Formats: sequence, C-alpha cells, structure tokens
Amino acid sequence: KNEVEQSPQNLTAQEGEFITINCSYSVGISALHWLQQHPGGGIVSLFMLSSGKKKHGRLIATINIQEKHSSLHITASHPRDSAVYICAVSNTGNQFYFGTGTSLTVIP
Amino acid sequence: KAGVTQTPRYLIKTRGQQVTLSCSPISGHRSVSWYQQTPGQGLQFLFEYFSETQRNKGNFPGRFSGRQFSNSRSEMNVSTLELGDSALYLCASSLGGTVNYGYTFGSGTRLTVV
Repeated sequence: KNEVEQSPQNLTAQEGEFITINCSYSVGISALHWLQQHPGGGIVSLFMLSSGKKKHGRLIATINIQEKHSSLHITASHPRDSAVYICAVSNTGNQFYFGTGTSLTVIP
Repeated sequence: KAGVTQTPRYLIKTRGQQVTLSCSPISGHRSVSWYQQTPGQGLQFLFEYFSETQRNKGNFPGRFSGRQFSNSRSEMNVSTLELGDSALYLCASSLGGTVNYGYTFGSGTRLTVV
C-alpha cells in the first residue's frame, strides 16, 4: 500500500472550471507538499502545508491533519494549468513519500 | 537569484559504467535532497544531505551514493549502472535545519542507460 494516495489519476476539464485534486496519506507527517510538473520534467513546489489552508493566486491548498487528507483546488482553470500535480509528505526526519500524481489537462 | 542548478541535463551511459551527477543549491541553502523519477515507480526519495552529512536515506541499493561539499553543492554517484537506473534524477534544496522549510527543485538530469 502506498503511503500517499492521490485521486483522480487523470483529469480533463474545460477552461474556467473549478478543479479539485485529493490526497490521502497514512504516515505521520511534519508537512505536506503540492508539486507541479510540466512536460520536460521541471518541478515547481506550489505549497508546503502543516495545517489549515494556503492560497496563491488561483490555487488553494487545504489540509485536515485529523483525517490525513489534503486537497488542491484550482479556480477558473486555464490551459496553462495543464501539468502533473504531485502530492508529497515529509516527516520529521525529512524523508519524503510521493503520490503517483494527477495528470490535468485543461481544454480551451 | 539563481535557482537550483543540475548538471548535466542529459546523459547516456552504458550498463556497468558509473555516473556522477551534480546539484548546486540556491545560495544559503544547506540542505540538498535527491530523487529518482521513473514512469513505473514515480518519484522516490534517494537521500538528503545537510551541512555535509547524510541525514536521511531512501530505500535504494548501495550503488547509489552521494556527498555534499562545504559550499553545499552535492553530487550523486551511481556505480555499476543497470538499465533500470534510466530515470530523471532531481535534486531540491532547502534552508534546512530543524524547521521544515520549502523546497526548490532543479530541472533534473535525464539519465539513459543503454
């Protein structure tokens, strides 16, 4: 069983739609990370959360520590949001566990 | 400010050879971590260095090793390459220390073993 589970695996949306990607984890964590990977490989760290909610532009990330669950929301989605979104958790020992990623395609 | 720099960007090696990859962190960052990404296994944590010491290690064979220099630059070495080592190798840097700071990733080195 993977320590980090993401859903859905693939997601296609129309431009302007509200998107939610979910992440559940089964290990103790010190932080949860949302990463974005575009074709070609480069990874950008979007959020690091240990509690509550963070917002950056059209992106919102929430975490529920008791339920061991996090969501990444994209409001007013745009084709440039098309990428793979990866959920990762780190523990106090700075070890990382990664989800398998959600491939998002936003159609104009 | 300069980001995390990984060199080389692409590499082709023959099975049985060894390879060294380099990662230069953001200035002032003392933690460097390494990751392997393959289509089958996704992203996996290799190891993390902080102030020249390996703090954590993932579940990889001893053929995978690394080190960190006093200027925080890090190298990763893979000996006796196998076809399955073909992957994108990413490093990330962080301020480090005991607090969980954000991470900045490099663009990766794509290694192909033939």
